[in-house]
Amino acid sequence: AQSVTQLDSQVPVFEEAPVELRCNYSSSVSVYLFWYVQYPNQGLQLLLKYLSGSTLVESINGFEAEFNKSQTSFHLRKPSVHISDTAEYFCAVTRSGGTSYGKLTFGQGTILTVHP
Amino acid sequence: EAGVAQSPRYKIIEKRQSVAFWCNPISGHATLYWYQQILGQGPKLLIQFQNNGVVDDSQLPKDRFSAERLKGVDSTLKIQPAKLEDSAVYLCASSPQGANTEAFFGQGTRLTVV
Repeated sequence: AQSVTQLDSQVPVFEEAPVELRCNYSSSVSVYLFWYVQYPNQGLQLLLKYLSGSTLVESINGFEAEFNKSQTSFHLRKPSVHISDTAEYFCAVTRSGGTSYGKLTFGQGTILTVHP
Repeated sequence: EAGVAQSPRYKIIEKRQSVAFWCNPISGHATLYWYQQILGQGPKLLIQFQNNGVVDDSQLPKDRFSAERLKGVDSTLKIQPAKLEDSAVYLCASSPQGANTEAFFGQGTRLTVV
C-alpha cells in the first residue's frame, strides 16, 4: 500500500515570488509520482509526472518537481508564480509497472493562493 | 476530443434517500474509475472497471454503494441509503488501455446529504 503526505494545507504567496509545495510518500514498492491541479469548479488536471529517467520533471507552465528516492519526496516548485496559478494541488502515487496510472493514492491537497 | 462527462453537477438529498450519478468516459477508454473526494481530503478510489468488469472495488462500501458499467461504456454509481458522511464530490476518470496511460478526470458531482 502507498500513502502520501502533503505537508502544507495552505500556501499563500505574492505574485512573482517563488513557491514550493511539499510532498512525501511511503511505499513498499516502486512507484510513479504525479502532481495534479484543480482549478475552482473544474476537474483534476495532470500537471506533471515522474515515471523513470531524469529525476527532475517539468510542466509546460513553468512548474517543476524533483523525485528524491532517499527522502521519499516529490516537491513541486515554481520560481515565479502568477495569479492564475491559484488552485489546489494534489500529489499522488501509483504502483509502477501497471497497465495505466489512473489507480492513484492522493495526498490531502495544498491550496495555493497567489496574491497581487 | 470530448472529455469525461458527469451528471448531475450538484445534488442535495436527505439522509436515507437514494441517489445515482452518471459518467460517460472519453470514447474508446477501456478503464473507468470512481473516486470520492470529501472536503479537505484528497480523492479516494472507490472502484475501477476494465471494460465492463470490476478490477478493484476493495474500498467501495458495498452495504450502501453500488456501481455498474454495462456494455463497457458509461457507468452509474448509486448510494442507497445515503448517510451524512457521504457528502462529497464524486469524480469519474477514464484512461485508454495500454501501459503508462494517463487518466482523465471529469468535473465531478457534488453531493450534499442533509
